[in-house]
Amino acid sequence: QKEVEQDPGPLSVPEGAIVSLNCTYSNSAFQYFMWYRQYSRKGPELLMYTYSSGNKEDGRFTAQVDKSSKYISLFIRDSQPSDSATYLCAMRRSNSGYALNFGKGTSLLVTP
Amino acid sequence: GAVVSQHPSRVICKSGTSVKIECRSLDFQATTMFWYRQFPKKSLMLMATSNEGSKATYEQGVEKDKFLINHASLTLSTLTVTSAHPEDSSFYICSARDTGGGDEQYFGPGTRLTVT
Repeated sequence: QKEVEQDPGPLSVPEGAIVSLNCTYSNSAFQYFMWYRQYSRKGPELLMYTYSSGNKEDGRFTAQVDKSSKYISLFIRDSQPSDSATYLCAMRRSNSGYALNFGKGTSLLVTP
Repeated sequence: GAVVSQHPSRVICKSGTSVKIECRSLDFQATTMFWYRQFPKKSLMLMATSNEGSKATYEQGVEKDKFLINHASLTLSTLTVTSAHPEDSSFYICSARDTGGGDEQYFGPGTRLTVT
């Protein structure tokens, strides 16, 4: 079993929809959770960074971490065509030397 | 702020030759940089952790003699793919952790390597 599981999609939604992206993980030692956005042929861009359980909101983006279920989510409100990209979840242990474990990424397409 | 550059962005080389990829943190110092490899529609796979002034730490299954890493300064790490083969063709991405900041890693734009 991979440590981080993420449905690769693709996920297609109409403009303005609420998007829900999710990852599950198996290693209970993960403490830091991140969401990255990656456009085609580009490097990942950090969107959200959370520590342990809870919610974090930044503009149209909300990240949720449920450590008891080993489940993290990213919600995008009022989705825009410019949100079309691959979204990668990543996480790490507190003693991992900052190395990240990534999910496969979910491909999102927001149609006008 | 927090910009990481990679050079070249794209390179084509012949089998048997070596290719060097540079990763630079432009506006911060990075004691630690990371090298990832990404295949189409696949996730980023960590290859090695590069530490300034010391030897890199390689992940299991990554040949250290094939993928040479040098982190000679706080703003530059290089990855050299030696004796490249077509199976080394991939998207190589580096990231850097801001030594003076938090835990976030900032990624470079990636280097597309094609070995013919």
